[in-house]
Amino acid sequence: DTAVSQTPKYLVTQMGNDKSIKCEQNLGHDTMYWYKQDSKKFLKIMFSYNNKELIINETVPNRFSPKSPDKAHLNLHINSLELGDSAVYFCASSQNPAGVGDEQFFGPGTRLTVL
Amino acid sequence: GDSVTQMEGPVTLSEEAFLTINCTYTATGYPSLFWYVQYPGEGLQLLLKATKADDKGSNKGFEATYRKETTSFHLEKGSVQVSDSAVYFCASRGSQGNLIFGKGTKLSVKP
Repeated sequence: DTAVSQTPKYLVTQMGNDKSIKCEQNLGHDTMYWYKQDSKKFLKIMFSYNNKELIINETVPNRFSPKSPDKAHLNLHINSLELGDSAVYFCASSQNPAGVGDEQFFGPGTRLTVL
Repeated sequence: GDSVTQMEGPVTLSEEAFLTINCTYTATGYPSLFWYVQYPGEGLQLLLKATKADDKGSNKGFEATYRKETTSFHLEKGSVQVSDSAVYFCASRGSQGNLIFGKGTKLSVKP
């Protein structure tokens, strides 16, 4: 039974399109995250939500909009896609944001390719 | 701001060789430290962690000790296997709970 799932696994689209990536966790965690992994494998936080409330919003273009309909889901919508948005996007969850040593559980990633 | 620096790869070793991947951090205070592993085509998995100074995290033959004096959390394994080939990420916990990652070190183990 998958703990953190993402759909789709692969997404190929044209510049200028709007797309969404969905994430669901069945661990009962309160906090969810989106990370971006670039072509050099560098991982960086984009957003985090705690119990449906935004708590981290890094310097990310406002074309990216996260939405959390409930604490088990955190979706990422991207408007007007650009070539530089091509990356692997990872969703993660943890019990709560401030817990010392709390493990974050990662989804399998969504590889976005913008042509 | 907080950051994590780890040795650049790729690292290529023969099976049964000794592995060290260096990792240092900068942070206000003493954050929890982690090593995550990413196997080809997969997401990240926690390998080990340490939450305070002098703690040693260990798992699957890998070890890392939280060294406050040198702000380091080096990953070691005494005898690597082909199945250990992966990308290894050192990370610290940010003040808002997010993980701050190093740039990753790709390890290839040859039979």
